Amino acid sequence: DAMVIQNPRYQVTQFGKPVTLSCSQTLNHNVMYWYQQKSSQAPKLLFHYYDKDFNNEADTPDNFQSRRPNTSFCFLDIRSPGLGDAAMYLCATSIDRALAKNIQYFGAGTRLSVL
Amino acid sequence: SQQGEEDPQALSIQEGENATMNCSYKTSINNLQWYRQNSGRGLVHLILIRSNEREKHSGRLRVTLDTSKKSSSLLITASRAADTASYFCATVLNSGGYQKVTFGTGTKLQVIP
Repeated sequence: DAMVIQNPRYQVTQFGKPVTLSCSQTLNHNVMYWYQQKSSQAPKLLFHYYDKDFNNEADTPDNFQSRRPNTSFCFLDIRSPGLGDAAMYLCATSIDRALAKNIQYFGAGTRLSVL
Repeated sequence: SQQGEEDPQALSIQEGENATMNCSYKTSINNLQWYRQNSGRGLVHLILIRSNEREKHSGRLRVTLDTSKKSSSLLITASRAADTASYFCATVLNSGGYQKVTFGTGTKLQVIP
């Protein structure tokens, strides 16, 4: 059974047209993360939510925003996608970011294309 | 900059052979994890080794950690075609009051049947 679900799996948008990617979880985890992964590169953390507390990475562009309306759902908004934003976007969860283990559970990802 | 650098970037072996991937990192860590990513999919957690551990086993996986050299290795024994995937190390260290996970660059493993 899928525990972290990302929709859609593939998303095509136009240059400059806002796009929203969604993630839901059935694990009841406190923390939800959004990563950007470009081809043959490491996943790069954009930001995470610890419960309702939003934590942005210092080098995440302002073009990327996020919303977490409740425990189960988290959204990634790209306000004005550029060609360089084409990538796989991965959502992940963990029980609690303070735990030493902090094992993360990933969704299957959304591959974003920008035309 | 990325915490983990992996070596080799790509590895191709025959089914039944062992595969060894290495990860080097730069700062002190609380623990180190290995993840697997099938092509076009999300990452799946494989194994975690704490900073005070030197070796850990899980099925056909063997992980070592040398904190003095700031390096770790993942050994997959008796590889199978289904092991074909990218493997990422991830370091975990305390950052601003929480355990931050940073992924390495990954090793792309191909197991030829």
